[in-house]
Amino acid sequence: EVQLVESGGGLIQPGGSLRLSCAASGFTVSSNYMNWVRQAPGKGLEWVSVIYSGGNTYYADSVKGRFTISRDSSRNTLYLQINSLRAEDTAVYYCARSDAFDIWGQGTTVTVSS
Amino acid sequence: QPVLTQPPSSSASPGESARLTCTLPSDINVGSYNIYWYQQKSGSPPRYLLYYYSDSDKGQGSGVPSRFSGSKDASANTGILLISGLQSEDEADYYCMIWPSNAVVFGGGTRLTVL
Repeated sequence: EVQLVESGGGLIQPGGSLRLSCAASGFTVSSNYMNWVRQAPGKGLEWVSVIYSGGNTYYADSVKGRFTISRDSSRNTLYLQINSLRAEDTAVYYCARSDAFDIWGQGTTVTVSS
Repeated sequence: QPVLTQPPSSSASPGESARLTCTLPSDINVGSYNIYWYQQKSGSPPRYLLYYYSDSDKGQGSGVPSRFSGSKDASANTGILLISGLQSEDEADYYCMIWPSNAVVFGGGTRLTVL
């Protein structure tokens, strides 16, 4: 079964760091575009970052310089390192496959609060 | 980043059709892009519905009923999601998306109410 499972979210203080994980099954992460998308409480979808199959990475302006997307082929897992967290980073973070975003995980919740 | 404009809400009755729109800014030609559509029900992740570029270049998500279809209105620079034969289970938020460059843009979403 093709599936994505996120983990790593939690309650974190402003300025803190987290690493989110997205474990894939049924397909190969490194052969696909892989994305992170977030959704703040009660708000719409906001694209965060993409890593192309070739390894190039791109970020939304709102997270550039603070977030880093990466992948581990041996674990078939996508990551998002998030640093210098702000209250406005509070959201459910989803990973999604391909340029069509055709497969989504269930999401992991990041809450930034003191 | 460009802004994709979606009406915040729409409503229709069961059995009717719902036409949801996604308007691109004037400096981005809808004819040049795939328009992707997603459905999100309360408490669930988004679900990929389909993409539309042209009548000869379009795709349906796995398991998505054919009553969900896409189109474009070039004169309005708008992508369109048409849902025919509305069912109560179609009540959800709907988002459009494009890839204008090495970045992705989502519309603000339309909440569809099935009366």
